[in-house]
Amino acid sequence: GAGVSQSPSNKVTEKGKDVELRCDPISGHTALYWYRQSLGQGLEFLIYFQGNSAPDKSGLPSDRFSAERTGGSVSTLTIQRTQQEDSAVYLCASSPRNNEQFFGPGTRLTVL
Amino acid sequence: QKEVEQDPGPLSVPEGAIVSLNCTYSNSAFQYFMWYRQYSRKGPELLMYTYSSGNKEDGRFTAQVDKSSKYISLFIRDSQPSDSATYLCGCAGGTSYGKLTFGQGTILTVHP
Repeated sequence: GAGVSQSPSNKVTEKGKDVELRCDPISGHTALYWYRQSLGQGLEFLIYFQGNSAPDKSGLPSDRFSAERTGGSVSTLTIQRTQQEDSAVYLCASSPRNNEQFFGPGTRLTVL
Repeated sequence: QKEVEQDPGPLSVPEGAIVSLNCTYSNSAFQYFMWYRQYSRKGPELLMYTYSSGNKEDGRFTAQVDKSSKYISLFIRDSQPSDSATYLCGCAGGTSYGKLTFGQGTILTVHP
């Protein structure tokens, strides 16, 4: 069956611009997670959704970062006023329960 | 000190060797343990998932969890060049809603 999909696969933007990253989880998976992977920091948790609510936003690095999930399915991660330190691979994972997580291919964000 | 420690390697072995990959963790609330394989510029692929202590085997892969020593291992038998990748351990549990805390990843190269 279809896995987790993310779009775009690559995004190059200028410092100060806003970006939106999209995640389509595996159908029927109620839990959705966003992570960020960078060379210096490894793979870090950003935010968790159960259905449309986000009970854990503790990993969002600043108020420039926000995310939403609609219809218990698609999620969008928005970064406002991007900075060079936001450059990383943004990964989405979904889970049928709060344990096994299946990752998408990621969005590689480059902020110039 | 990071909650999950993993030797980044790199680790280089000949084809056919048995590979041992390890992580230690400090959070005694962790109950779920996962191993992921990540090829260059791809998303992490779930290899093994274990709950609490014990062993789990799947083909050439065996995952071990020792909660008393907070030590988790992944063994790869009869390693193949196609196993060359970065291996990530991830831990979850307690009140974390299933969010994973990852080790830094170990870079493995299996040479023919």
